[in-house]
Amino acid sequence: TQLLEQSPQFLSIQEGENLTVYCNSSSVFSSLQWYRQEPGEGPVLLVTVVTGGEVKKLKRLTFQFGDARKDSSLHITAAQPGDTGLYLCAGGQSGNTPLVFGKGTRLSVIA
Amino acid sequence: DTAVSQTPKYLVTQMGNDKSIKCEQNLGHDTMYWYKQDSKKFLKIMFSYNNKELIINETVPNRFSPKSPDKAHLNLHINSLELGDSAVYFCASSQDWGPYEQYFGPGTRLTVT
Repeated sequence: TQLLEQSPQFLSIQEGENLTVYCNSSSVFSSLQWYRQEPGEGPVLLVTVVTGGEVKKLKRLTFQFGDARKDSSLHITAAQPGDTGLYLCAGGQSGNTPLVFGKGTRLSVIA
Repeated sequence: DTAVSQTPKYLVTQMGNDKSIKCEQNLGHDTMYWYKQDSKKFLKIMFSYNNKELIINETVPNRFSPKSPDKAHLNLHINSLELGDSAVYFCASSQDWGPYEQYFGPGTRLTVT
């Protein structure tokens, strides 16, 4: 059973477009992390959200944690080719369990 | 300085061979992990060590054996390699055991022919 479902699985858009990707679960998480993995490299942490309803911004990226801490979204404004990569969400549930990773959204931004 | 490093970056070998992948972190973290990422990009945890002690050992063939000589190193040895072992293997570390931020190495692309 996959605890974290990410959608869409694939997304191909033109440069300048806006997009939103989602990370959903039926479980409550104490924290939610977003990672980006560029081709040929390992995932790199973008942000961690811990409070229900929390919104964090990282330049053109906006991350939101759902009020019930079961879901999260990542919105990218005016996407650029450099945003291309695999976006992974990862949830933490307690101090004795490791992160659970979703299967990722593969984003391709075409110039 | 690279926080989490892996060697080799690429590994091409024949079925039946034995190979090792090495990982080192200089972040002073207590916990290290091995993940397998298949062609569909799904990141699947294989092993986790905390303070040199094995914590997670997912359903992985016993041909895979991790070894942690100290907190900064976690190596992965694979015996009798099979075609299905072809994947990218990532090492990662975190401050402690639990839902902490993880820092990943650059990956080792293993191709078994």
